[in-house]
Amino acid sequence: SQKIEQNSEALNIQEGKTATLTCNYTNYSPAYLQWYRQDPGRGPVFLLLIRENEKEKRKERLKVTFDTTLKQSLFHITASQPADSATYLCAPTNGATNKLIFGTGTLLAVQP
Amino acid sequence: GAGVSQSPRYKVAKRGQDVALRCDPISGHVSLFWYQQALGQGPEFLTYFQNEAQLDKSGLPSDRFFAERPEGSVSTLKIQRTQQEDSAVYLCASSRDRNTGELFFGEGSRLTVL
Repeated sequence: SQKIEQNSEALNIQEGKTATLTCNYTNYSPAYLQWYRQDPGRGPVFLLLIRENEKEKRKERLKVTFDTTLKQSLFHITASQPADSATYLCAPTNGATNKLIFGTGTLLAVQP
Repeated sequence: GAGVSQSPRYKVAKRGQDVALRCDPISGHVSLFWYQQALGQGPEFLTYFQNEAQLDKSGLPSDRFFAERPEGSVSTLKIQRTQQEDSAVYLCASSRDRNTGELFFGEGSRLTVL
């Protein structure tokens, strides 16, 4: 069955450092992959989408890579700030099914 | 509306009661999704509508769960004879077109079954 794995442990980093979150998937070949941010008690908020033919995508301090050979996406936040503290969800998707399958999320805590 | 609206935000039900959760998607959005999120977990897919057609209900956990979107806008998720394991946050999301792009989520309805 389709499986998505994200760092199960919380990630604690110092303000100003780069945070790197990992998303691994097995048993399918997504046409694209999305990343979302979720704050406590709130719904997820879309951050970035990367397609299978794109190796890297950037948006301000965010960078996403997509390696279809390794079946992995990396999500980077540069110059991290305490306001970046949240849970980050990845969702690799097969466009044909029209549904997003989410990973369990990684909790990021940026210490001032 | 400006965003996806869900009601009620919080619902406490006694085991065996029926509940109905409402979702108002962004106006004009074609696709609507329901997800269930347990504490500390990612959202789990329940069902998907394209306009009024329910195209995928493979994630509904049992026949006690039923969703509808009769006019292709507002959707209702109904849970009959609630059980304690139904306690979770139910998230609704909509997207602009048929092809899955950015999903816009509501704040969720937190259901607690006693």
